[in-house]
Amino acid sequence: DAKTTQPNSMESNEEEPVHLPCNHSTISGTDYIHWYRQLPSQGPEYVIHGLTSNVNNRMASLAIAEDRKSSTLILHRATLRDAAVYYCILRDRGSGNTGKLIFGQGTTLQVKP
Amino acid sequence: EAGVAQSPRYKIIEKRQSVAFWCNPISGHATLYWYQQILGQGPKLLIQFQNNGVVDDSQLPKDRFSAERLKGVDSTLKIQPAKLEDSAVYLCASSLEGLAGVEQFFGPGTRLTVL
Repeated sequence: DAKTTQPNSMESNEEEPVHLPCNHSTISGTDYIHWYRQLPSQGPEYVIHGLTSNVNNRMASLAIAEDRKSSTLILHRATLRDAAVYYCILRDRGSGNTGKLIFGQGTTLQVKP
Repeated sequence: EAGVAQSPRYKIIEKRQSVAFWCNPISGHATLYWYQQILGQGPKLLIQFQNNGVVDDSQLPKDRFSAERLKGVDSTLKIQPAKLEDSAVYLCASSLEGLAGVEQFFGPGTRLTVL
């Protein structure tokens, strides 16, 4: 399975945008890029996913590099509730794959008031 | 819509004892996952079910861990006997299908402490 590299931690101020980077230089053509986050004492929750094009939803935006070797999760206005561990995960959509999530260490985002 | 339910939320046992966790997935979700999350690490998949059949149990320590999903709905994960290193949060997740583009929904987890 292709791996991702994320910074261990990042800080942000409340109500400012946050850009969380992820490198995935060995990504294959059949890999989706998924982002999940885990708030303290909770299970992970889905944030967003994409394949080639940038994606937007009510929670965040996902910017994918043209060569797909990196991506950035964008939180447009961070709130205290966004303090969490953010995981960037590649999921292979090729036939025969189960689509399982393989979590790395993630990025711990701290949001300061 | 009700989320993924898990019980108990917390469990403390002595090593060599047995323990069981229960999961009720979101209604209609065919795929169910059990993950183990050790403190400071990301979750690790233990087993994946599609309906009541096992799709992937390659990371399940089968000498002590077992899981079943009778009737393709609820699932139980059992540890017998428990070891100190089994102390972790056990997360259950479900999805409509076990495909790469499909969102997984996680329960709150069961925190197991083995003394």
